[in-house]
Amino acid sequence: AQSVAQPEDQVNVAEGNPLTVKCTYSVSGNPYLFWYVQYPNRGLQFLLKYITGDNLVKGSYGFEAEFNKSQTSFHLKKPSALVSDSALYFCAVRDGRYSTLTFGKGTMLLVSP
Amino acid sequence: EAQVTQNPRYLITVTGKKLTVTCSQNMNHEYMSWYRQDPGLGLRQIYYSMNVEVTDKGDVPEGYKVSRKEKRNFPLILESPSPNQTSLYFCASSTPNGGRTSGYEQYFGPGTRLTVT
Repeated sequence: AQSVAQPEDQVNVAEGNPLTVKCTYSVSGNPYLFWYVQYPNRGLQFLLKYITGDNLVKGSYGFEAEFNKSQTSFHLKKPSALVSDSALYFCAVRDGRYSTLTFGKGTMLLVSP
Repeated sequence: EAQVTQNPRYLITVTGKKLTVTCSQNMNHEYMSWYRQDPGLGLRQIYYSMNVEVTDKGDVPEGYKVSRKEKRNFPLILESPSPNQTSLYFCASSTPNGGRTSGYEQYFGPGTRLTVT
């Protein structure tokens, strides 16, 4: 069985500071990892993914994530947070062999001016 | 424009009154899925479909039905809705045959907020 853990319900950061949203995963095969963002009253939007290759992946809106196989982590990062980054962020994983996507419970990011 | 559409976007109904939430995608995706989102629980998969006439249960299928008669459509049916099915529902699609680099990235609809009283 595959699973995702987002240990923080909420992350608070001041605008201009770097941000990190944590994610750890568990799969039996090769992980396909994703980050999605949900703005209020909107659906989920894809941010970035790791399939294979370079451990540092870059995505939309200046976000990036680092795949760490030994720590089974895929933390989302951004060098300088914006107030408009405030949203609910979901990490998701699927075993490379299957199509079922398992989501974490989500982390609310609040960026203060 | 490539998109996943859901209807209705908002629905208030009463216990036991059958309802259907429609989902349609225009990307010729083989894979489609339904999720429900509840506070503190994230997204949980209800049902998914690998292709036409091929459906399977997700993590929380009880009380739901689906059908996949056409590639583009994947309706979610609640035969006898109950208050515990009050939730935000998302439909998503992807292409399982998109190659290894696609990662089967899923595209989500805008959501349907269902309230069962």
